[in-house]
Amino acid sequence: DAGVIQSPRHEVTEMGQEVTLRCKPISGHNSLFWYRQTMMRGLELLIYFNNNVPIDDSGMPEDRFSAKMPNASFSTLKIQPSEPRDSAVYFCASSAPGLAGSGELFFGEGSRLTVL
Amino acid sequence: RKEVEQDPGPFNVPEGATVAFNCTYSNSASQSFFWYRQDCRKEPKLLMSVYSSGNEDGRFTAQLNRASQYISLLIRDSKLSDSATYLCVVRMVGRRALTFGSGTRLQVQP
Repeated sequence: DAGVIQSPRHEVTEMGQEVTLRCKPISGHNSLFWYRQTMMRGLELLIYFNNNVPIDDSGMPEDRFSAKMPNASFSTLKIQPSEPRDSAVYFCASSAPGLAGSGELFFGEGSRLTVL
Repeated sequence: RKEVEQDPGPFNVPEGATVAFNCTYSNSASQSFFWYRQDCRKEPKLLMSVYSSGNEDGRFTAQLNRASQYISLLIRDSKLSDSATYLCVVRMVGRRALTFGSGTRLQVQP
């Protein structure tokens, strides 16, 4: 079975450019999470969706970041304009309904972003 | 103060050794507890849940002390393949999202 699919795997861009990261959750999963990982701050939750609805976006750093989930099989995280401090690995994860207590988030392989 | 605190390590141990990691969490509303494992340049994966009574999965034992807000992971008979970063994870009441510690790096040496 396919896991969580993220694209691109690597992105190098220049400061000021728009960056769009994409995620396809596991089929049947109804919760989707965007996390960011850096050496300094570890894994931080940016936003999560339940049944395509944003539930908690308190981790989104600022207005330059936006996330959408137009349907159950696709989500995007957009950074516009990008800055060097946005350089990080961005993980998308999904979880199935009825597993609130199991704690298992299934992560994609991540999108490694470098902003020059 | 971070919600979940871990010693970053690294812990360098020989094969066959027993090693223990500790973690503390600050929010008493934390409801569920887990250990995740992350290999270098890979995604995190669930290692095991942590139950109030303590639980064991092969060479791995997890303990929870709610009064002290403290979680531990014990690895017995360490293998080279155990080398990874171990992330302490909590879930608050009413939230589906997980809060991750920064991780403890383990390096098992031959």
